[in-house]
Amino acid sequence: NAGVMQNPRHLVRRRGQEARLRCSPMKGHSHVYWYRQLPEEGLKFMVYLQKENIIDESGMPKERFSAEFPKEGPSILRIQQVVRGDSAAYFCASSPLVGDTEAFFGQGTRLTVV
Amino acid sequence: AQSVTQLGSHVSVSEGALVLLRCNYSSSVPPYLFWYVQYPNQGLQLLLKYTTGATLVKGINGFEAEFKKSETSFHLTKPSAHMSDAAEYFCAVSDGGSSASKIIFGSGTRLSIRP
Repeated sequence: NAGVMQNPRHLVRRRGQEARLRCSPMKGHSHVYWYRQLPEEGLKFMVYLQKENIIDESGMPKERFSAEFPKEGPSILRIQQVVRGDSAAYFCASSPLVGDTEAFFGQGTRLTVV
Repeated sequence: AQSVTQLGSHVSVSEGALVLLRCNYSSSVPPYLFWYVQYPNQGLQLLLKYTTGATLVKGINGFEAEFKKSETSFHLTKPSAHMSDAAEYFCAVSDGGSSASKIIFGSGTRLSIRP
């Protein structure tokens, strides 16, 4: 059973470009979380999704950021018009049940905006 | 709202010494509590978790943590540190049974081991 797969592992974008980060949850998991880790900081919750539904997006910046988890395919975190402050590690986690078990994390996508 | 506070962003101990990483939480409902470890350039790996039942929980690599409701704490300990324990450790809390649970993380504690 493959773990949570994130790609790409490293992504470099110029200011103003779009960044698309992909996350394939573990088999059988229907809950996906996205977290952002800024340098020397902890993990900050961004968004919690179930298939085709955004459950909690209280941690998402109001502009430029969006997330989806379609019925088929991976979850996508999209950042439009990236700025240098978006440079961070973005982690995806998945779980089969709400709260009853831990979330399993991917290895992250490290976004660098130049 | 839930929150987690980890005291000490950096802890350094000698190899073979006791490891103690502190975590205090705030939750309006009975919490689920977690400790995760992150090695450089890696994702997070679960060390241990508390949901219900026994308040002393044992995890991987010889770590354990005790849930103390009266102190709202969930400190992580290991009797004897090993060089391979050097990593970043995150305490986390969720409200468990909510239909919209999310895991809230502390800011992390970097553990260094001195030879």
